[in-house]
Formats: sequence, structure tokens, C-alpha cells
Amino acid sequence: GAGVSQSPSNKVTEKGKDVELRCDPISGHTALYWYRQSLGQGLEFLIYFQGNSAPDKSGLPSDRFSAERTGGSVSTLTIQRTQQEDSAVYLCASSLRGQMNTEAFFGQGTRLTVV
Amino acid sequence: GESVGLHLPTLSVQEGDNSIINCAYSNSASDYFIWYKQESGKGPQFIIDIRSNMDKRQGQRVTVLLNKTVKHLSLQIAATQPGDSAVYFCAEKREGNKLTFGGGTRVLVKP
Repeated sequence: GAGVSQSPSNKVTEKGKDVELRCDPISGHTALYWYRQSLGQGLEFLIYFQGNSAPDKSGLPSDRFSAERTGGSVSTLTIQRTQQEDSAVYLCASSLRGQMNTEAFFGQGTRLTVV
Repeated sequence: GESVGLHLPTLSVQEGDNSIINCAYSNSASDYFIWYKQESGKGPQFIIDIRSNMDKRQGQRVTVLLNKTVKHLSLQIAATQPGDSAVYFCAEKREGNKLTFGGGTRVLVKP
């Protein structure tokens, strides 16, 4: 597709279960971001991938959160042993590598609800 | 996390009036700035950007102003329309292309 694609669009999970959220960036974009947005709040940075460089994980809130990016394209955000406070919309964005002055394009997000 | 906006401020504006949304950024080394619009249930969408070697840039009905001295960014929307109702976020790019968001502002357009 032409845009950033995220799946699933909605996910309801039981507390304590693990979840995986997927992001397909725009083809050719090698910078990829994950953000978390709680209801009515701003965007909280989680992790950033830039090409083959080591990812910036400084925003991950706990060691239950991890992310991978395989082959420089698709990324998976994994949350282990989910807690109710993990409920939020998880947004993925991508932008062109090496192009500082280009905007990041966002997907529609995955709404995660932990019950 | 970084730059989390709690209890988003709200700007109420009459339809047809001009809107001004303000943002303070944190890093003097940032050299690229973006404004995003987020409608309910959707991901943020690009509105306009500006490089740090500029102090003003105009788009269609929107103008972004950058004041590097005080690290302040503003978005002006001319003749605000009901479709402009959304949450607006500023973002800054730092070294390594990392994109960091400021707290958002909710704009409500009154008919």
C-alpha cells in the first residue's frame, strides 16, 4: 500500500497475556518510529529505528516492551505480561532515511485494550 | 516517555476567525520542525514544516512561525473552518532523525 499500515487495528487482551503489534512502513522508508498515545493525551515516544543503526530504545517504559525490525522493513512491537495501564493507541510512523527534512507519515494506529 | 502532553489545552475559536496555536520546543540543536493535525480516531497527518534557517513559511490557509531565540513555534490557521477541529501537535527533529513531539492543543471550532 501507499501508506503506513498497522495491524491489528484493535486488540483486546487479558491482563498478563503477551501481544504483538505490527507495522508495515512506506516502501523505501528506513526510519521507523513507535509512539504510544493514551486517551486524550499527547504522543509518547517509545522507540526509533534508523537503517542498520542500533535502535533508540530510550522511550520504552519497562522491560516488558520490546521491538524488532526485520530486514529493515516490517516492525513488531511486543508487550509481555500486559497490564491495564498499557491500554492505549500505539502509533507507528516512517520517514526517508538520511533525509532530515522530511516528515514522518503515520499509520492509523492499533488500539490496545487490556481487560 | 518524552514530551507527553497531559490534559491537552483547548482553543475555542469561532468559525471564520483566525487561530493561533503555540508550541515551545526543548532542544536548541533541533533544525527541523513539523506541525501535525490529528482528528479523532486517526493517526497524525502532516500539515506544514519549517527548517531552522527560516522564520516563516506559508501554506494553504496555514502559516508557521519559528522563533529560535526563545525556542517557540506557532501555527496560524486563517479563516478557521469546522473541519479544522482536531488536536494539533508540533514536532522537532534532532540528531539522527529522531522525531520528538510536544504536547498537543485541541482546537474546537464553534459554528
